[in-house]
This record gives sequence, structure tokens and C-alpha cells, in this order.
Amino acid sequence: AQRVTQPEKLLSVFKGAPVELKCNYSYSGSPELFWYVQYSRQRLQLLLRHISRESIKGFTADLNKGETSFHLKKPFAQEEDSAMYYCALRGGATNKLIFGTGTLLAVQP
Amino acid sequence: GAGVSQSPSNKVTEKGKDVELRCDPISGHTALYWYRQSLGQGLEFLIYFQGNSAPDKSGLPSDRFSAERTGGSVSTLTIQRTQQEDSAVYLCASSSSGGRSYEQYFGPGTRLTVT
Repeated sequence: AQRVTQPEKLLSVFKGAPVELKCNYSYSGSPELFWYVQYSRQRLQLLLRHISRESIKGFTADLNKGETSFHLKKPFAQEEDSAMYYCALRGGATNKLIFGTGTLLAVQP
Repeated sequence: GAGVSQSPSNKVTEKGKDVELRCDPISGHTALYWYRQSLGQGLEFLIYFQGNSAPDKSGLPSDRFSAERTGGSVSTLTIQRTQQEDSAVYLCASSSSGGRSYEQYFGPGTRLTVT
């Protein structure tokens, strides 16, 4: 079965501290992984996708097929990073996105 | 240009009533998706349209839920005989193709509360 697991509901860090939001997936095949972000009172938006291998707003994520993980990392958190982060999987014949339950990142001043 | 829009932004209804939620995708986007965001459940896929047809309805939770799309544009999600467990934020997304390489753009959502 296709599944995305985000084990942390809430992650609280201080400004300037490193951040790692965990994401594990279950999928037999070649998945396509994404991170979406939802800032307060804003709509859900794409942050990054694994095939792009890019850094957006200082965030990076590496697909580890051996560990079936796609953790989101940032070396120095900023207060404006506070938001809800969703890991998502797309794969197979369907184009739907399968989301994790999300992690609320709270960056304290 | 304009993004995905949804209406109403909020809907409060009594248990047992029917509701219709509307989605206006980005102009020219052929693919349209409905998702539901429930407390503690995260985001769940409901249905996918390519043009006016729905090749994937696997996420619709019961036969009380239905959706249609007309003119390859506007989509309506209908929930009949609403139940309290239907309370959630319903999100619509569109993309320029149903292909895997195309980004889905999300609307602001409709918050449905069933009392």
C-alpha cells in the first residue's frame, strides 16, 4: 500500500537552530516525493520535489530509497519558517498525491 | 493570473442537508483534484478529473459524495445527507496536465461544518 508517515505532529525549535522534518514512505516502485507547506492563513503550496534536487528557502530534502525516507532539512531555522509542512507521494498509474498527516514547525525567537 | 478559487469559503449546514462546493481551476488546466483536510487525518485524496471525466474516484468515502466537472473547467463536489464526520476543509487543486511532471496548484479551500 502507498503510505506517507510523518511521525512528528509538532516540532519546536529556536531561531538559528537546525531543523529536520521526518518523512518516511511506503511504495513499491519509483515514487515521486514532494514537500508542501501551508503558512498561516495561506493556501497549500509546493515547497520542493525530489526530482528537482534544489534548495528552496534554504530547505533541502534527499530521497533515500534504502531507508524509504525523504526528510526535510534546513541548517538555520528562521521565524518565518513557522508553518505546517506536508510530505507527499505521487506514483503509479494514478496522479493523486498521498499526503502525510503533517508536521507543525514552530520557530521560537 | 488568477489562481484556483473555491466557493463558499465557509459553509455551516445542519446534519442531513445536502451541500455543494465549487471549484474554479486555473484557466487552461485540464487536470482537477479534490482533497479533504480533516483534523488528525491530514490531507486525503477524493477524486481526480482529466477534462470532464473522472478516471480516479477511489477516494470518495461513500456514495453520499459525488462530483462533476463541466466544460473542462468548473467542478462541483456534492455531499448528500451530510454527517458530522463530513466536517473538514475541502481543497481543490488543478494542474496543466494529468502527467506526473506537472505541479498541482491548490485553492484556499472550503471549510464545511456540519452541526
